[in-house]
Amino acid sequence: NAGVMQNPRHLVRRRGQEARLRCSPMKGHSHVYWYRQLPEEGLKFMVYLQKENIIDESGMPKERFSAEFPKEGPSILRIQQVVRGDSAAYFCASSPPSGSGVGELFFGEGSRLTVL
Amino acid sequence: KNEVEQSPQNLTAQEGEFITINCSYSVGISALHWLQQHPGGGIVSLFMLSSGKKKHGRLIATINIQEKHSSLHITASHPRDSAVYICAVRSPSGGSNYKLTFGKGTLLTVNP
Repeated sequence: NAGVMQNPRHLVRRRGQEARLRCSPMKGHSHVYWYRQLPEEGLKFMVYLQKENIIDESGMPKERFSAEFPKEGPSILRIQQVVRGDSAAYFCASSPPSGSGVGELFFGEGSRLTVL
Repeated sequence: KNEVEQSPQNLTAQEGEFITINCSYSVGISALHWLQQHPGGGIVSLFMLSSGKKKHGRLIATINIQEKHSSLHITASHPRDSAVYICAVRSPSGGSNYKLTFGKGTLLTVNP
Protein backbone atom coordinates (compact mmCIF):
# COMPACT_ATOMS: atom_id res chain seq x y z
CA ASN A 1 0.00 0.00 0.00
CA ALA A 2 1.89 3.02 -1.27
CA GLY A 3 1.89 6.15 0.83
CA VAL A 4 0.84 9.60 -0.31
CA MET A 5 2.60 10.27 -3.61
CA GLN A 6 3.47 13.76 -4.69
CA ASN A 7 5.08 14.82 -7.94
CA PRO A 8 7.12 16.46 -9.05
CA ARG A 9 9.43 16.49 -6.04
CA HIS A 10 11.19 19.55 -7.38
CA LEU A 11 9.88 22.05 -9.89
CA VAL A 12 11.59 25.14 -11.28
CA ARG A 13 9.52 27.76 -13.04
CA ARG A 14 10.19 31.23 -14.36
CA ARG A 15 8.01 34.12 -13.31
CA GLY A 16 4.74 34.10 -15.21
CA GLN A 17 4.69 30.37 -15.92
CA GLU A 18 2.24 27.88 -14.51
CA ALA A 19 3.01 25.25 -11.88
CA ARG A 20 1.01 22.06 -11.46
CA LEU A 21 1.56 19.90 -8.42
CA ARG A 22 0.00 16.47 -8.13
CA CYS A 23 -0.98 14.41 -5.14
CA SER A 24 -2.21 10.83 -5.12
CA PRO A 25 -3.67 9.97 -1.71
CA MET A 26 -3.22 6.66 0.01
CA LYS A 27 -5.47 3.89 -1.22
CA GLY A 28 -8.87 4.17 0.41
CA HIS A 29 -8.40 7.79 1.44
CA SER A 30 -10.99 10.23 0.17
CA HIS A 31 -9.83 13.38 1.95
CA VAL A 32 -6.94 15.47 0.66
CA TYR A 33 -5.33 18.52 2.25
CA TRP A 34 -2.74 20.87 0.83
CA TYR A 35 -0.32 22.84 2.99
CA ARG A 36 2.35 25.37 2.11
CA GLN A 37 5.66 25.80 3.89
CA LEU A 38 7.36 29.07 3.06
CA PRO A 39 11.10 29.37 3.75
CA GLU A 40 11.75 29.93 7.46
CA GLU A 41 8.02 29.74 8.23
CA GLY A 42 5.69 27.11 9.57
CA LEU A 43 3.22 25.09 7.58
CA LYS A 44 -0.05 26.74 6.66
CA PHE A 45 -3.32 25.12 5.65
CA MET A 46 -4.37 25.90 2.09
CA VAL A 47 -7.30 23.74 1.02
CA TYR A 48 -9.30 20.65 1.94
CA LEU A 49 -10.89 18.55 -0.77
CA GLN A 50 -12.96 15.43 -1.08
CA LYS A 51 -13.59 13.69 -4.38
CA GLU A 52 -15.03 16.27 -6.80
CA ASN A 53 -15.63 18.77 -3.98
CA ILE A 54 -13.73 21.65 -2.48
CA ILE A 55 -14.70 21.62 1.18
CA ASP A 56 -12.62 24.54 2.43
CA GLU A 57 -10.28 26.75 0.44
CA SER A 58 -9.99 29.49 3.03
CA GLY A 59 -6.19 29.18 3.13
CA MET A 60 -5.70 29.63 -0.59
CA PRO A 61 -4.61 32.98 -2.02
CA LYS A 62 -7.59 34.51 -3.78
CA GLU A 63 -5.90 34.80 -7.14
CA ARG A 64 -3.78 32.49 -9.28
CA PHE A 65 -4.22 29.43 -7.05
CA SER A 66 -6.73 26.66 -7.62
CA ALA A 67 -7.14 23.06 -6.54
CA GLU A 68 -9.15 20.10 -7.67
CA PHE A 69 -9.64 16.46 -6.77
CA PRO A 70 -11.42 14.80 -9.68
CA LYS A 71 -13.35 11.55 -9.54
CA GLU A 72 -10.46 9.81 -11.27
CA GLY A 73 -6.81 10.72 -10.88
CA PRO A 74 -4.75 12.73 -8.45
CA SER A 75 -5.51 15.98 -6.73
CA ILE A 76 -3.93 18.93 -8.52
CA LEU A 77 -2.75 22.22 -7.03
CA ARG A 78 -2.37 24.74 -9.82
CA ILE A 79 -0.55 28.04 -9.57
CA GLN A 80 -0.89 30.37 -12.51
CA GLN A 81 1.53 33.18 -13.38
CA VAL A 82 3.93 32.22 -10.62
CA VAL A 83 5.87 34.89 -8.75
CA ARG A 84 9.02 34.57 -6.64
CA GLY A 85 6.93 34.63 -3.46
CA ASP A 86 5.32 31.33 -4.49
CA SER A 87 8.66 29.55 -3.94
CA ALA A 88 7.92 27.11 -1.16
CA ALA A 89 7.42 23.47 -0.29
CA TYR A 90 3.88 22.28 -0.92
CA PHE A 91 2.76 19.28 1.09
CA CYS A 92 -0.23 17.10 0.53
CA ALA A 93 -1.80 14.92 3.20
CA SER A 94 -4.63 12.43 3.04
CA SER A 95 -6.90 10.77 5.55
CA PRO A 96 -9.54 8.10 5.46
CA PRO A 97 -13.15 8.91 6.28
CA SER A 98 -13.68 8.63 10.01
CA GLY A 99 -16.93 8.24 11.85
CA SER A 100 -15.81 10.47 14.71
CA GLY A 101 -14.24 13.20 12.63
CA VAL A 102 -11.08 13.40 10.59
CA GLY A 103 -8.75 10.46 10.97
CA GLU A 104 -4.99 10.19 11.18
CA LEU A 105 -3.15 12.24 8.57
CA PHE A 106 -0.55 10.82 6.21
CA PHE A 107 1.78 13.26 4.48
CA GLY A 108 3.59 13.12 1.19
CA GLU A 109 7.23 13.98 0.57
CA GLY A 110 6.32 17.44 -0.66
CA SER A 111 6.86 19.33 -3.89
CA ARG A 112 9.48 22.05 -3.77
CA LEU A 113 8.72 24.90 -6.13
CA THR A 114 11.43 27.38 -7.05
CA VAL A 115 10.47 30.43 -9.07
CA LEU A 116 13.34 32.13 -10.86
CA LYS B 1 -7.55 31.45 15.95
CA ASN B 2 -5.21 29.16 17.80
CA GLU B 3 -1.65 30.15 18.50
CA VAL B 4 0.84 27.32 18.80
CA GLU B 5 4.14 27.95 20.53
CA GLN B 6 6.97 25.48 20.62
CA SER B 7 10.06 25.52 22.77
CA PRO B 8 12.90 25.41 22.40
CA GLN B 9 13.35 26.62 18.81
CA ASN B 10 16.69 24.87 18.56
CA LEU B 11 18.05 22.04 20.65
CA THR B 12 21.45 20.36 20.52
CA ALA B 13 22.06 17.18 22.46
CA GLN B 14 24.64 14.45 22.82
CA GLU B 15 23.79 10.95 21.76
CA GLY B 16 22.04 9.10 24.55
CA GLU B 17 20.51 12.15 26.20
CA PHE B 18 16.84 12.44 27.12
CA ILE B 19 15.11 15.08 25.00
CA THR B 20 11.98 17.09 25.75
CA ILE B 21 10.21 19.40 23.29
CA ASN B 22 7.26 21.46 24.48
CA CYS B 23 4.15 22.75 22.77
CA SER B 24 1.56 25.19 24.13
CA TYR B 25 -1.61 26.33 22.44
CA SER B 26 -4.11 29.04 23.24
CA VAL B 27 -7.62 27.69 22.65
CA GLY B 28 -9.44 24.37 22.86
CA ILE B 29 -8.59 21.63 20.42
CA SER B 30 -9.91 18.26 19.33
CA ALA B 31 -6.49 16.66 18.85
CA LEU B 32 -2.80 17.41 18.72
CA HIS B 33 -0.24 16.01 16.28
CA TRP B 34 3.49 15.63 16.57
CA LEU B 35 5.25 15.53 13.21
CA GLN B 36 8.83 14.92 12.17
CA GLN B 37 10.52 16.54 9.19
CA HIS B 38 14.07 15.76 8.07
CA PRO B 39 15.88 18.56 6.22
CA GLY B 40 14.62 18.70 2.65
CA GLY B 41 12.43 15.72 3.39
CA GLY B 42 8.84 14.80 3.80
CA ILE B 43 6.71 14.93 6.91
CA VAL B 44 6.03 11.91 9.06
CA SER B 45 3.20 11.86 11.54
CA LEU B 46 4.53 10.57 14.86
CA PHE B 47 1.49 10.86 17.11
CA MET B 48 -2.06 12.08 17.15
CA LEU B 49 -3.46 12.40 20.66
CA SER B 50 -6.35 14.03 22.44
CA SER B 51 -5.64 12.97 26.03
CA GLY B 52 -3.09 11.22 28.20
CA LYS B 53 0.02 9.68 26.81
CA LYS B 54 1.21 7.63 23.85
CA LYS B 55 4.45 5.71 23.37
CA HIS B 56 6.11 4.40 20.24
CA GLY B 57 9.57 2.97 20.62
CA ARG B 58 11.80 5.64 22.13
CA LEU B 59 9.22 8.37 21.59
CA ILE B 60 6.65 9.42 24.16
CA ALA B 61 4.00 12.12 23.72
CA THR B 62 1.88 13.53 26.52
CA ILE B 63 -0.89 16.08 26.58
CA ASN B 64 -2.54 18.06 29.37
CA ILE B 65 -5.81 19.41 28.02
CA GLN B 66 -6.50 21.64 31.04
CA GLU B 67 -3.11 23.30 30.78
CA LYS B 68 -3.17 23.36 26.95
CA HIS B 69 0.27 21.82 26.82
CA SER B 70 1.93 18.83 25.21
CA SER B 71 5.43 17.39 25.38
CA LEU B 72 7.37 15.12 23.10
CA HIS B 73 10.10 13.08 24.76
CA ILE B 74 12.86 11.11 23.10
CA THR B 75 14.73 8.63 25.26
CA ALA B 76 18.28 7.50 24.43
CA SER B 77 18.55 10.01 21.60
CA HIS B 78 20.48 9.08 18.47
CA PRO B 79 21.94 11.17 15.61
CA ARG B 80 19.24 9.81 13.30
CA ASP B 81 16.68 11.61 15.51
CA SER B 82 18.08 14.89 14.18
CA ALA B 83 15.15 16.59 12.47
CA VAL B 84 12.57 19.33 12.88
CA TYR B 85 9.73 18.35 15.22
CA ILE B 86 6.47 20.13 14.59
CA CYS B 87 3.46 20.40 16.85
CA ALA B 88 0.08 20.91 15.16
CA VAL B 89 -3.33 21.31 16.75
CA ARG B 90 -6.67 20.44 15.27
CA SER B 91 -9.65 22.75 15.65
CA PRO B 92 -12.38 21.65 18.07
CA SER B 93 -14.85 19.08 16.83
CA GLY B 94 -17.44 20.44 14.48
CA GLY B 95 -17.48 21.81 11.02
CA SER B 96 -13.81 22.64 10.75
CA ASN B 97 -12.07 20.02 12.88
CA TYR B 98 -9.90 19.08 9.90
CA LYS B 99 -7.96 22.35 10.14
CA LEU B 100 -4.47 22.18 11.56
CA THR B 101 -2.56 25.09 13.05
CA PHE B 102 1.16 24.43 13.13
CA GLY B 103 3.94 25.52 15.42
CA LYS B 104 7.15 26.76 13.83
CA GLY B 105 9.01 23.63 14.75
CA THR B 106 11.95 22.67 16.94
CA LEU B 107 15.22 21.88 15.20
CA LEU B 108 16.87 19.00 17.05
CA THR B 109 20.51 18.11 16.43
CA VAL B 110 21.89 15.03 18.14
CA ASN B 111 25.68 14.77 18.05
CA PRO B 112 27.47 11.43 18.20
